Amino acid sequence: QSALAQPASVSGSPGQSITISCTGTSSDVGTYKYVSWYQQHPGKAPKLMIYEVSNRPSGVSNRFSGSKSGNTASLTISGLQAEDEADYYCSSYTSSSTVDLFGTGTKVTVL
Amino acid sequence: EVQLVESGGGSVQPGGSLRLSCVASGFTFNIFWMHWVRQAPGKGLVWVSRINSDGSSTIYADSVKGRFTISRDNAKNTLYLQMNSLRAEDTAVYYCARVVVSTSNWGQGTLVTVSS
Repeated sequence: QSALAQPASVSGSPGQSITISCTGTSSDVGTYKYVSWYQQHPGKAPKLMIYEVSNRPSGVSNRFSGSKSGNTASLTISGLQAEDEADYYCSSYTSSSTVDLFGTGTKVTVL
Repeated sequence: EVQLVESGGGSVQPGGSLRLSCVASGFTFNIFWMHWVRQAPGKGLVWVSRINSDGSSTIYADSVKGRFTISRDNAKNTLYLQMNSLRAEDTAVYYCARVVVSTSNWGQGTLVTVSS
């Protein structure tokens, strides 16, 4: 059960846009629409930001958007704000008859 | 308001056992699948186990299969994780979670430390 691959860190200045990638395989990201993104601030529980590849839960800013191409999903944060500084994790259903997979996590830094 | 409150964490020696509990409120517990997720200090999130609404179907990560058992008592609105044969690498904050497509609710987590 290998974790989905994410860049360790991504940074941007306030107002800029950044994109975090999440690379899996045809057994998970590449086949299923069940890709989610979570935001986690230090010492806090994760918060769902995107579900089913590109949908935002109620209350999540429209500055957050998701997409998928092949085996890679992406999270884009536009109009970067200081409060967006956090760790971000993707998650995907997998056909491997096991629990879902998380990504390795990406630390977003607002410069 | 949905609330998930974990308890039962603590320090234990390698080879020991612990049982985590998660008391749910604010929603109809007995119709939802529930999950345990863990996070080792300074590391990423890992799905550990999930259980269906009536407890008849469970699934585990390979790293805990055969050692951990997830269960639930719907009459008590409580989710459990029985952890046996604990190893140093099981040291983590353990979260219970309800994940329902567009909604995700998590507890505050309970810390399990496995050390001699």
